[in-house]
Formats: sequence, C-alpha cells, structure tokens
Amino acid sequence: AQSVTQPDIHITVSEGASLELRCNYSYGATPYLFWYVQSPGQGLQLLLKYFSGDTLVQGIKGFEAEFKRSQSSFNLRKPSVHWSDAAEYFCAVGRGSGNTGKLIFGQGTTLQVKP
Amino acid sequence: GAVVSQHPSWVICKSGTSVKIECRSLDFQATTMFWYRQFPKQSLMLMATSNEGSKATYEQGVEKDKFLINHASLTLSTLTVTSAHPEDSSFYICSARGTDTQYFGPGTRLTVL
Repeated sequence: AQSVTQPDIHITVSEGASLELRCNYSYGATPYLFWYVQSPGQGLQLLLKYFSGDTLVQGIKGFEAEFKRSQSSFNLRKPSVHWSDAAEYFCAVGRGSGNTGKLIFGQGTTLQVKP
Repeated sequence: GAVVSQHPSWVICKSGTSVKIECRSLDFQATTMFWYRQFPKQSLMLMATSNEGSKATYEQGVEKDKFLINHASLTLSTLTVTSAHPEDSSFYICSARGTDTQYFGPGTRLTVL
C-alpha cells in the first residue's frame, strides 16, 4: 500500500539557516509527489510537485525538492529560512496510478524559526 | 492562483444536530472535489471524492449516511455532518481539483458539544 512518512514531527531552525525536511514514500511505480504548506487560517498551499523529468524541482518561496528513487525520498530544502516560513509542512503522494487527484499525506512537520 | 473558499470557517453545534459545510471554487470549475478530515497535530485523511452530478465515493471506514456529500454544481460541493456527536469534532478541509493539482480551502473547524 502507498504511504508517506515524514520522520521529523517538529524542527526548529534559526532564521537565515538552511532547511531540509525529510519525506519518504512507499510506492511501486513512479509516484506523483507534492509538498504543501499549511499556515493557520489558510488553506494548504502547494509549494512544488514532481511528476516526471528533472529530479530537482523548484517551487515557490525559494523552496526546492529532490526526487531520489533509490532512496524513495522527496526531501524539501531551502537555503535560507525566513521567519515567515514557520508553518506546518506536508509531503503527499498521489494515490493510485496516474494523477487521480487523490492524495495520501504524511504526518506533517512543524517548522519553528528562531530569530 | 485558484481560490477555494469554505463556509463557515468555524461552527459549534449541539450533539444530535446536523451541520452543513460549503466548499466553493471561486474562479474555476471543478468537476471533482475532495473532502478531508484533520485531527489536531495529525495528517489529512481523505474522506470522500465528490463528483459533479454523481454520487460521492467514500473512503473505507467513512460512514456515507453520516457524512452526506452533494456536488450540485461545478463550483459547489457541500458536506453535511448528520446527527453530529462530539467525536465528529474535527477540522474539515475541502479541495478542488484543477488541471494537474488541487487547490485547498482554508478549512472548517467543527466543535460538537
């Protein structure tokens, strides 16, 4: 069965420091992978997605993610974190074959940014 | 980007009553919408898929008679929690499917007393 694991429930980084949020998935075929950010009072916002092609994906707000098939990972990175990046981050995999629209979410990682 | 709204943003109701939550795609048409449930500090769990003009499909373990979904138009889907009980208290989130991604509403906080 498909699944998504985000090993880190909570991460704290200093403003200006680099960030990496981990995501591991379980899926036999090439997955559709997503990273979303959830801020209080706002809907989940798509940061980036991977369907195929270049394994390094650029997203909004300076985020990027790299798809590594050998490690079944899709880690999210940002070279320099801003205080406004504090939020809940979710990795998700598209369920079923093709882009069905159904998503399986990881448990989420809460990012805290220290001044 | 595409905008999805939900109404109400929060609701408190008494046990045994029914509550309706609306999900609207404001600037695009969505033949498919999804309803998720999120418990505090937990992930989103897909409850059902709402297709315009047809019956919703529910995920395993979701009571379709308790969570009624109606997708009457290309811009509106509603979720009605019938005979609500305290264990139904949760954060309900909808999403509307665009061309190759989903757009999420801000969520509705339901508290059943």
